[in-house]
Amino acid sequence: DAGVIQSPRHEVTEMGQEVTLRCKPISGHNSLFWYRQTMMRGLELLIYFNNNVPIDDSGMPEDRFSAKMPNASFSTLKIQPSEPRDSAVYFCASRPTDIGLEAFFGQGTRLTVV
Amino acid sequence: AQSVTQLGSHVSVSEGALVLLRCNYSSSVPPYLFWYVQYPNQGLQLLLKYTSAATLVKGINGFEAEFKKSETSFHLTKPSAHMSDAAEYFCAVTMNSGYSTLTFGKGTMLLVSP
Repeated sequence: DAGVIQSPRHEVTEMGQEVTLRCKPISGHNSLFWYRQTMMRGLELLIYFNNNVPIDDSGMPEDRFSAKMPNASFSTLKIQPSEPRDSAVYFCASRPTDIGLEAFFGQGTRLTVV
Repeated sequence: AQSVTQLGSHVSVSEGALVLLRCNYSSSVPPYLFWYVQYPNQGLQLLLKYTSAATLVKGINGFEAEFKKSETSFHLTKPSAHMSDAAEYFCAVTMNSGYSTLTFGKGTMLLVSP
């Protein structure tokens, strides 16, 4: 398996623009997480899906952020409009059904909003 | 609710010295605990995990951790540090019930000097 695949790896955009980050989880995994990593705040959970349904989105910063999982093999995280404070590394991770098993992380998307 | 606290944002050791990275957890039900490592510009990868079997868990690269319920701790150790161990280490917890997110600590940067 190729692992969790995120795209793009790097994104530079201007303030006010819409940004879409993409994630393909490992086949057969039914849990998916989006995390944001910054120097100041560390690794923050943004949203958690189980069987394509959002279970916990309490970490989504504000209405500018939205996440979808239309099927078991694809998820998106959208920021509209983007702001400089959204600059961070965004990670997607997937986990099998058994919660005792570990989550597997993608390589991340480094977002820079100028 | 679940949480983990990692004591020390930075730990410095000399090559060959003992590595000890501290993690304390809070969980209302029996937890599953994980240690992940992150090398620069990469995603997180699993070092080891505790899932209610043996309390002393061995992982990759010579690391091990001991689950101590009485102390609510899951400290990570390695007898002899190697230069290649320099990285950021994250402790994480998930609960052994229902839908459970994966919650990370703030991370500890391990610095290894010659």
